[in-house]
Amino acid sequence: DAEITQSPRHKITETGRQVTLACHQTWNHNNMFWYRQDLGHGLRLIHYSYGVQDTNKGEVSDGYSVSRSNTEDLPLTLESAASSQTSVYFCASSVTSTGELFFGEGSRLTVL
Amino acid sequence: DAKTTQPPSMDCAEGRAANLPCNHSTISGNEYVYWYRQIHSQGPQYIIHGLKNNETNEMASLIITEDRKSSTLILPHATLRDTAVYYCIVRVFMEYGNKLVFGAGTILRVKS
Repeated sequence: DAEITQSPRHKITETGRQVTLACHQTWNHNNMFWYRQDLGHGLRLIHYSYGVQDTNKGEVSDGYSVSRSNTEDLPLTLESAASSQTSVYFCASSVTSTGELFFGEGSRLTVL
Repeated sequence: DAKTTQPPSMDCAEGRAANLPCNHSTISGNEYVYWYRQIHSQGPQYIIHGLKNNETNEMASLIITEDRKSSTLILPHATLRDTAVYYCIVRVFMEYGNKLVFGAGTILRVKS
């Protein structure tokens, strides 16, 4: 079955370190998204991509970057991790024709 | 994108219908209404979406008022496993992508 997977599922890192969260989908969806979820803020959009070589900033993009070199992957990089980036991160992909989003299981990141 | 207003929480008895309201008074003619839910610690799950006609699938029914300024998600026979946060989102359907912005949602508690 096609799916969307995130790795690592749990990570602890130190302030200032570079961290990359991986997202891989096997549906061949053009659209991919990264959200973060914090208590009191719900889901907030970080970055998104509508296809290979396309990337766009969401509402909370500062301190994050993404790249889209193929259809299947959208890695999220924290260039210099900060304690404020401690959160649960969700990756999603969607079919353009329906707009239905498919989410991964999430990656819990703790920055000490 | 049109903003949505949902009650912060609702309770429902197991086996009864759960009716979750959503106000989207600024919705425009080409904006769709989407519903997602998120069960604790999991990635959000697509439920249903519609433009102006009522929609039904195996999970739920979506009732959109004639003026499209509000909608109701109906879970016909709620079970304990339906306890989750339910998100109502309105979004323009775009040819090249479909970014969804999540609000705070409604916490639905199904009680035995």
